[in-house]
Amino acid sequence: GENVEQHPSTLSVQEGDSAVIKCTYSDSASNYFPWYKQELGKGPQLIIDIRSNVGEKKDQRIAVTLNKTAKHFSLHITETQPEDSAVYFCAASTVDTGRRALTFGSGTRLQVQP
Amino acid sequence: DAGVTQSPTHLIKTRGQQVTLRCSPISGHKSVSWYQQVLGQGPQFIFQYYEKEERGRGNFPDRFSARQFPNYSSELNVNALLLGDSALYLCASSWVTGDGSPLHFGNGTRLTVT
Repeated sequence: GENVEQHPSTLSVQEGDSAVIKCTYSDSASNYFPWYKQELGKGPQLIIDIRSNVGEKKDQRIAVTLNKTAKHFSLHITETQPEDSAVYFCAASTVDTGRRALTFGSGTRLQVQP
Repeated sequence: DAGVTQSPTHLIKTRGQQVTLRCSPISGHKSVSWYQQVLGQGPQFIFQYYEKEERGRGNFPDRFSARQFPNYSSELNVNALLLGDSALYLCASSWVTGDGSPLHFGNGTRLTVT
């Protein structure tokens, strides 16, 4: 089955700096890669996703890059703000069949220092 | 619009007991999935249902079962509870399945087994 590894486990940055979180996946059949933000006491919230036919996607301060050959993808947050502090999860799945099962990484706790 | 709603929000049970968790998807969403999130880890896939049929099952014992109703709401049942079943149980819904439509998560049910 799919295995997703995520690094780093914790990340502390100063407000205004950039943050980068990296993930690798094992199953070459995976073709959908979402990123979720989870705040304390809440469920994961989708912040951006990318499919394997795209190398990069950007949404305001958030961008995701995908390298299919190396089987890794990354989340980039620019101009970080204190409200970006949360746990971030990457995930991978295939969407070619009727079955959808996300395999999540272990999470990155991002702390943005004011 | 209401998001994914789950009930109850918190639950305390004793080893050996049975529990039923409930989920209402976003209006119009036909697929419901269940995930288990142990403290400090990423969510793990348990089940996916689409149009009342099971479309996928994760690596969980037969003590875990689920169903989806004609109104697309869903229940997750866990029998013979173990201490290790203590976790946040997340429900996610999506418009359809197999096409990459994003998964939207509820805030979960926190189950504590004593």
